[in-house]
Amino acid sequence: AQSVAQPEDQVNVAEGNPLTVKCTYSVSGNPYLFWYVQYPNRGLQFLLKYITGDNLVKGSYGFEAEFNKSQTSFHLKKPSALVSDSALYFCAVRDIGNQFYFGTGTSLTVIP
Amino acid sequence: GAVVSQHPSWVICKSGTSVKIECRSLDFQATTMFWYRQFPKQSLMLMATSNEGSKATYEQGVEKDKFLINHASLTLSTLTVTSAHPEDSSFYICSALNPGQGAETQYFGPGTRLLVL
Repeated sequence: AQSVAQPEDQVNVAEGNPLTVKCTYSVSGNPYLFWYVQYPNRGLQFLLKYITGDNLVKGSYGFEAEFNKSQTSFHLKKPSALVSDSALYFCAVRDIGNQFYFGTGTSLTVIP
Repeated sequence: GAVVSQHPSWVICKSGTSVKIECRSLDFQATTMFWYRQFPKQSLMLMATSNEGSKATYEQGVEKDKFLINHASLTLSTLTVTSAHPEDSSFYICSALNPGQGAETQYFGPGTRLLVL
């Protein structure tokens, strides 16, 4: 069965420290992978995607993510966290049948 | 860019009334739009996929007669919650695929918060 897992409901990090939000997936074929961010009472904003090519993709607001095929992971990273990065982050996968699957979300809190 | 708008941003209605939510792609034509429902601190639940000019495809467990979806043009899809009840209170989010960017990325509207009294 197709699925996306975000193993951490909550991630806390101090401002200025690097952050990682984890995502693993189980999808047949070569998936398209996405990260979205959601601020309170708002829709989702697209951050970045991996379709093909370089495993390290860079996106908005200084975020990047690394596609690891052997570990079926697509962790979101940022070298230096900002308080304004505090939000809900969703990982998503699109399979070869063009079906989208979303993770359950990870709440990131950056502590000043 | 790829901007998707929703209207209204929030609505309060009495039980038994119908509420229409509009989703518009502002700077691109979207043949496919999606409607989601999100409960507090939970992930998105796909309700239906809306294709321009054809009937929407509903996910299992979503009542077609309850949640009417119309995608009459390439820039507009509407979701009508008919005979709304308090349990329909939720955050409804639409998204659209932008064919101009390979149609692999969903762009989301800002959401509509519905409160049924």
